[in-house]
Amino acid sequence: GAVVSQHPSWVICKSGTSVKIECRSLDFQATTMFWYRQFPKQSLMLMATSNEGSKATYEQGVEKDKFLINHASLTLSTLTVTSAHPEDSSFYICSATDTSYEQYFGPGTRLTVT
Amino acid sequence: AQKVTQAQTEISVVEKEDVTLDCVYETRDTTYYLFWYKQPPSGELVFLIRRNSFDEQNEISGRYSWNFQKSTSSFNFTITASQVVDSAVYFCALSSPGETSGSRLTFGEGTQLTVNP
Repeated sequence: GAVVSQHPSWVICKSGTSVKIECRSLDFQATTMFWYRQFPKQSLMLMATSNEGSKATYEQGVEKDKFLINHASLTLSTLTVTSAHPEDSSFYICSATDTSYEQYFGPGTRLTVT
Repeated sequence: AQKVTQAQTEISVVEKEDVTLDCVYETRDTTYYLFWYKQPPSGELVFLIRRNSFDEQNEISGRYSWNFQKSTSSFNFTITASQVVDSAVYFCALSSPGETSGSRLTFGEGTQLTVNP
């Protein structure tokens, strides 16, 4: 089956620094990638949708200047949390779709901002 | 707008009991897909099933079964003879592939299932 990886699986950073999370489709080309955020004991909330080679589409309430998304190739999308603060601590999950529109999820990245 | 409601926040059962997780959805689209995912404590989402809106046949996979009823906009999930390893958060989700954003998923709030030995 299709595999999506995320790196790192967990990260701790200091307040005010930036952190980059990678999402890779390992065995297929992802036409679209999605980024979700999940706070403890809550559901997954879509942050943004990115298509290869174009700007990401952000959901209402998500700061595009804070959460920078780059989808430079059909197998890689990155999410950069800029000037991170403790309230950005969360579980970030990416997913990727191919032309079949089947969605494949990565294992998630746990971000802790101290 | 699409919406998925999982009214049961938490369910606790004793091993070997049957348990049903409810899911009710709202959409104006005639073509859509419904999903169930399992999220164990590790956090990784495990895909369980996908059904399209034109297929109302119930499905059984081992101890898992799904009841899709368009008339009530429900897609319920039953685990038969539950086991401790079934303990997890279960999410119901909805997507409409006709949207420009592709297979964008709308998730329910999730149901925390705890199976006690």
